Amino acid sequence: EIVLTQSPATLSLSPGERATLSCRASQSVSSYLVWYQQKPGQAPRLLIYDASNRATGIPDRFSGSWSGTDFTLTISSLEPEDSAVYYCQQRFNWPLTFGGGTKVDIK
Amino acid sequence: QVQVVQSGAEVKQVGASVKVSCNTSGYTFSTYGISWVRQAPGQGLEWMGWISAHNGNKKYAQRLQGRVTMTTDTSTSTAYMELRSLRSDDTAMYYCARDRSDSAAAGNLDYWGQGTLVTVSS
Repeated sequence: EIVLTQSPATLSLSPGERATLSCRASQSVSSYLVWYQQKPGQAPRLLIYDASNRATGIPDRFSGSWSGTDFTLTISSLEPEDSAVYYCQQRFNWPLTFGGGTKVDIK
Repeated sequence: QVQVVQSGAEVKQVGASVKVSCNTSGYTFSTYGISWVRQAPGQGLEWMGWISAHNGNKKYAQRLQGRVTMTTDTSTSTAYMELRSLRSDDTAMYYCARDRSDSAAAGNLDYWGQGTLVTVSS
């Protein structure tokens, strides 16, 4: 199965700063990489699908990019409500697999 | 608007079975699929399986093969996940999420249920 490695484990930044979250796949997943946001006590929320497409209703401060097997979620200017855990997930083949998550703390 | 509502929390004994329901509305159920994902306390997300509400095709996580069954009822727009021979490490929040009906396009989970906490006690 495809292993997704997310880094860093935790990111602590101030409002207005730029956050860069990484997800590396153990093999090619083409562009079939998805990002979710999960706040405490809530279900995950789809942010980005197929590496770079924002889901419905997602603010444009969230963007996704990739090069080879390296994927990046960028939050251009952090808002307090962006405090959450962010997961990547590949849908290139079965089984679907998730990364271990990156926790974003807003100072 | 799309809504996904799951059944309530369950407490089960080791060795028992649990069946979680996932009731949907606001879209044509039979043109989509449902994925199930679980999350142990304080841990990350684990994909359990996918079912197409269009044709009943299924994919299960290998580690759950033989213990899990996913079904759909198109007459009530409801999906079900049954997990048998429960173990203590099955204690988790269980989520259903809308997915695509075609296995080649599956994996973009766009609407999620609120989660169902299943506690397995000995």
